[in-house]
Amino acid sequence: AQSVTQLDSQVPVFEEAPVELRCNYSSSVSVYLFWYVQYPNQGLQLLLKYLSGSTLVESINGFEAEFNKSQTSFHLRKPSVHISDTAEYFCAVSPGTGGFKTIFGAGTRLFVKA
Amino acid sequence: DTEVTQTPKHLVMGMTNKKSLKCEQHMGHRAMYWYKQKAKKPPELMFVYSYEKLSINESVPSRFSPECPNSSLLNLHLHALQPEDSALYLCASSQSGGPGETQYFGPGTRLLVL
Repeated sequence: AQSVTQLDSQVPVFEEAPVELRCNYSSSVSVYLFWYVQYPNQGLQLLLKYLSGSTLVESINGFEAEFNKSQTSFHLRKPSVHISDTAEYFCAVSPGTGGFKTIFGAGTRLFVKA
Repeated sequence: DTEVTQTPKHLVMGMTNKKSLKCEQHMGHRAMYWYKQKAKKPPELMFVYSYEKLSINESVPSRFSPECPNSSLLNLHLHALQPEDSALYLCASSQSGGPGETQYFGPGTRLLVL
C-alpha cells in the first residue's frame, strides 16, 4: 500500500519570496508522483508529475519538484511566489503497475501575503 | 477541450430526497471517477469506471449509486443521504485508468444535506 505525508498544513509566505512544500511518500513498489493545485471553489488541476527519467520536473508557471528516491520525497519549490499562487496543494502517488487508485496527501495551504 | 463539466454547482437536499449529480467530458477519456472532498481535506475516491464498467467501489454506502450511461457521461444518484454526506463531490476523468495518468477534474458539486 502507498501513503503520502505532507508535513505542513499551512505555509504563509510573502510575495516574491521562495517557497518549498514538502511531500514524503511510502510504498513497497515503484510509484508515480504528482502535485495537484486547487484554487478556491475549483476542482484540482495537475501542476506537474514524475513518471521516469529526469528527477527534476517543472511546471509552466515556475514550480519545480525533485524526486528523491533515497529520501522518498517529492518536494515542490518555487523561487518567487505571486499572490495568485495562493491555493491548496496536494501531493499524490499512484502505483507504478496496475490499479486505478491515486492516493492524495492531506494538502498544504499556501498563503501568499503582499 | 480539456474540460470536465459538472451539474449542478450547488445542491441542497433533505434526507428523504432523491437527486442526481451529473458529469460530462469530451476528451475521449475511458476512465471516470467520483471523489468526495470534505472541507480542508483531500479528495477521497468513491468510484471508478473504466470503459463504462465499474472497476472500483471504495465501500461506499448504498445511498450513493453511480451510473455510467456512456463513455462521456457519469452520474451519481443520491437517495436518503445523511447530513454527514455534505461535501464537495468531484468528478474526474483520465485516458484509460492506467498508472501515471493525469486526472482532469471538474469544478465539483457542493452538496448540503439538511
